[in-house]
Amino acid sequence: GNSVTQMEGPVTLSEEAFLTINCTYTATGYPSLFWYVQYPGEGLQLLLKATKADDKGSNKGFEATYRKETTSFHLEKGSVQVSDSAVYFCALSDGGATNKLIFGTGTLLAVQP
Amino acid sequence: DTGVSQDPRHKITKRGQNVTFRCDPISEHNRLYWYRQTLGQGPEFLTYFQNEAQLEKSRLLSDRFSAERPKGSFSTLEIQRTEQGDSAMYLCASSFPRGAQETQYFGPGTRLLVL
Repeated sequence: GNSVTQMEGPVTLSEEAFLTINCTYTATGYPSLFWYVQYPGEGLQLLLKATKADDKGSNKGFEATYRKETTSFHLEKGSVQVSDSAVYFCALSDGGATNKLIFGTGTLLAVQP
Repeated sequence: DTGVSQDPRHKITKRGQNVTFRCDPISEHNRLYWYRQTLGQGPEFLTYFQNEAQLEKSRLLSDRFSAERPKGSFSTLEIQRTEQGDSAMYLCASSFPRGAQETQYFGPGTRLLVL
């Protein structure tokens, strides 16, 4: 079945460091891919998405490229801030009639000043 | 656009009690989803509505769980005879069908603690 695998955290970085959070997926067909962010005590917020191969999603300095050949959707940011500290979830939509989301386990990012 | 709202935000109950959660989706969204998130894990799909019809239920949704969306607007999720294993964050999301461009928007969640 469809699944998402994320790198385990926590990831601890100093402010202005480069961020990469790895995400790979297994899916039949051509799913849409998403990164959601969850701040402490809150629900999920959509960070970015990509709907087809080679698409790049971007938002708030974060980027991820849909790589079909490596079945990956790694999240990157060139210079992280303390305010980026949160849990990041990679997800895919199964594209069926339900279009439900399948999530990875999440990666906790802690940015230190 | 007021976003997806959920009520209550927190619920503490004793084992064996019944609880009900409410979700109000974004007004023009006819798709509504419930997910459950346990500590340290990603959300897991529970059930899906299109308008008032419940079209899919996960195997995670035991017979103690029931969900409704009576008029195709708000939805309720009821858990009967709660167990400690039901402690989790219950998330609601809504969307409008747009094929590959469809995006689900999440509410703040209801955090349930069963003592």
